[in-house]
Amino acid sequence: QVQLQESGPGLVKPSETLSLSCTVSGGSISSYCWSWIRQPPGKGLEWIGYIYYNGNTNYNPSLKSRVTISVDTSKNQFSLKLSSVTAADTATYYCARDREAAAFTGWFDPWGQGTLVTVSS
Amino acid sequence: DIQMTQSPSSVSASVGDRVTITCRASQGISGWLAWFQQKPGKAPKLLIYAASSLQSGVPSRFSGSGSGTDFTLTISSLQPEDFATYYCQQAHNFPLTFGGGTRVEIK
Repeated sequence: QVQLQESGPGLVKPSETLSLSCTVSGGSISSYCWSWIRQPPGKGLEWIGYIYYNGNTNYNPSLKSRVTISVDTSKNQFSLKLSSVTAADTATYYCARDREAAAFTGWFDPWGQGTLVTVSS
Repeated sequence: DIQMTQSPSSVSASVGDRVTITCRASQGISGWLAWFQQKPGKAPKLLIYAASSLQSGVPSRFSGSGSGTDFTLTISSLQPEDFATYYCQQAHNFPLTFGGGTRVEIK
């Protein structure tokens, strides 16, 4: 069964770039869309964007100017970069796979366990 | 962006109760709606997709209905493991958006 695991620094300074990776195990990264979703402490969920295994991306306009999602099929991994972070970017960041292969449906399953990133000096 | 409004924001219920949560979209989304369950410190779990399709492995006491702008998640007989926060999410338009959540608490 496919499992996802986020990794990256838990603390990022204001104005710097947040960088996270999601490693996929138990299955191939090919043929699926892969998303990043975040959740500020005690708040709701925000979709950040997705990448298709072929590199096509779609980002939330509210973050588009600061977000880059990339994929490395050789490592079965995809990554998130969020630039110029502020305290408002403090959140648990989740990676997730689309439920269906070969098309984006927006049904997220499975998810990684999430990683808390705090923006603070 | 499509706004997703859930009600109530919280509900107190007892084991065995029937619980209904509603989600309203700010514009029509056909059947492009999912429901997730989230427990403290855990990732959300997909329960229902395409408004009424039960995700594999999810107990049949969970059901979803609706189309257009109004949707419902029903738990037919609440179990102890169902106390959690529930979110709806639309996948009709980008950006994908979530409701604010409904917390199901023990009465």
